[in-house]
Amino acid sequence: EAGVAQSPRYKIIEKRQSVAFWCNPISGHATLYWYQQILGQGPKLLIQFQNNGVVDDSQLPKDRFSAERLKGVDSTLKIQPAKLEDSAVYLCASSPLIRGGYGYTFGSGTRLTVV
Amino acid sequence: SQQGEEDPQALSIQEGENATMNCSYKTSINNLQWYRQNSGRGLVHLILIRSNEREKHSGRLRVTLDTSKKSSSLLITASQAADTASYFCATAYNQGGKLIFGQGTELSVKP
Repeated sequence: EAGVAQSPRYKIIEKRQSVAFWCNPISGHATLYWYQQILGQGPKLLIQFQNNGVVDDSQLPKDRFSAERLKGVDSTLKIQPAKLEDSAVYLCASSPLIRGGYGYTFGSGTRLTVV
Repeated sequence: SQQGEEDPQALSIQEGENATMNCSYKTSINNLQWYRQNSGRGLVHLILIRSNEREKHSGRLRVTLDTSKKSSSLLITASQAADTASYFCATAYNQGGKLIFGQGTELSVKP
């Protein structure tokens, strides 16, 4: 089974520029998540999709961050404009919709550096 | 806000020793999960324990859950250098709900 694919692996941009990250989850996984992980901290959920609908985006800074999941498969996360504090690893994860809970499968992440 | 808090923040042991990491959380949960993260990599799911379970095993891993104390522990027996990583607990309020991660325990196993 192929894992969760993310690209790019690394990205360096200047503040106020825009950037986009891409995620391809495991085939058949209904739920997709974007997490932000700042160095030395645990991952923080930005947005959760179920199929192509948003379930939770309460911690997404909507003035600068946006995300979409077209056709309930791939997803993109965009930051515009970027700030220095957005420097972090952006992790995508997916899970099947199974009663009782299920572990997430994470991608390798995109390391963003804003200078 | 973070739901779980891990203790200790860092742990250094010799190969062959056991490693114990603890996690405390604040509100009732549906399940609790443990993940491992190697430096510069994504997280790997290790084990899931549901709120009606008290103990689970997977290979050298043993997880306990005490819902009355709102705490969990992860025990790695006979540690190996390859176990060096950060370990995170994550809690879910409901089945299918989002996972909230703690700050993690950084484990170093010296050969």
